[in-house]
Order: sequence, then C-alpha cells, then structure tokens
Amino acid sequence: EDKVVQSPLSLVVHEGDTVTLNCSYEVTNFRSLLWYKQEKKAPTFLFMLTSSGIEKKSGRLSSILDKKELFSILNITATQTGDSAVYLCAVEVYIAAGNKLTFGGGTRVLVKP
Amino acid sequence: DSGVTQTPKHLITATGQRVTLRCSPRSGDLSVYWYQQSLDQGLQFLIQYYNGEERAKGNILERFSAQQFPDLHSELNLSSLELGDSALYFCASSLFWGDEQFFGPGTRLTVL
Repeated sequence: EDKVVQSPLSLVVHEGDTVTLNCSYEVTNFRSLLWYKQEKKAPTFLFMLTSSGIEKKSGRLSSILDKKELFSILNITATQTGDSAVYLCAVEVYIAAGNKLTFGGGTRVLVKP
Repeated sequence: DSGVTQTPKHLITATGQRVTLRCSPRSGDLSVYWYQQSLDQGLQFLIQYYNGEERAKGNILERFSAQQFPDLHSELNLSSLELGDSALYFCASSLFWGDEQFFGPGTRLTVL
C-alpha cells in the first residue's frame, strides 16, 4: 500500500525563523510529488516536483525532491504569521488508466509574531 | 481562488438519506478528482474522471457514485448515508491527467 509520511507533525516558530518540512514516501508507480498549503479550507497548490535534485522556488518557499532516497523537503525562510497553515505533501501515482494523489498527514505550522 | 467551484458549501442531512455534490472544474480542465477529508483519515482519493470517462478509483464505497457530464462538470452522489460519512468533500481539477491538481473550496457534509 502506498505510504506518505510527513514530519514533524507540528511546529511553532517565531516570525523570521526558517522552517524545514519533511516528506518521505513509499509508493509504486511514482509520477510526481506535490506540496499544498491548507489554511481554512481548500488545499492551495505550491509546487510539483518530478525530477531529483532540482530546486523549485517561489518567493520565500523552496522545495527539492530526492527520488533515490524517496523524500522531499519544503523550506520556508523569513517566516511570517501568514505562513501559519497545514502543509500537505502528496505523491501522484499512476493507477489503472489514470492517476491519483496519496496525501501525507500534514505538518501544522504556527508562526508567532 | 483556484477557479474550481463546488456546491453546496454546507449540507446537513440525516442517516439513510441521499445527497448530490456538484463540482465545476477550472475552465479548460478535462480531469476531475474527488477527495474526502475526515479528521481521522486525512485526505483520501475517491475517484477520477477524464473527459467524461472514469479513469481511476480509490477506496470509494459502493454507496457512492460519480459522473462527469459533457460540459465537464461532475457530481458525486452519496446514498444510504451514515454518521461516518460526515466529512469535507473536495473536488480538484487538472488540465490533463497528470498535471497539477487545483482544489475547490469543498462541501462540508454533516450526517445527523
């Protein structure tokens, strides 16, 4: 069975700190790994990673994938209170004639002023 | 705003009833996915449609069914509802299957 594990479960930081979130996976038919931010309701897309070792960046957020060791990290630098959310890692796998996302349990980040 | 719309936002119903959740994908997206999010199970994949055809199924209960119509909107039908079906139901869409998925705001279903 496909498995996606995120760590830590939760963390509390202060504004300006740097945060590193981890995601490890064991799946068959890997296609890509995605990161989402979930605040109140819908997960918001952050990154999609398909190749190992290539860092993707968007402002203060960056992410990288290691397909050999089967993990990804999401970094947030110079954190702000608006970064407080649950960060979800999802692995996309081929299934039957289509694809699906298998989600990790999420990491809850609280950024204090 | 992802461009994916879902109705209704909230639904309260009783056990044994049947409900229909509706999703309109982003303009141009051909693939629609349904997910269930509950406190104890996290986000779970239910089913995928691509251009009107069912493409992949997750652990979707037999009491649940879905379809995608020619205009690409999708409906998720939940019948013989049980207390445990209470959850947030998300629809997501992507341009083609395998592209990044964008999530709608969800429908919160409460079964009393």
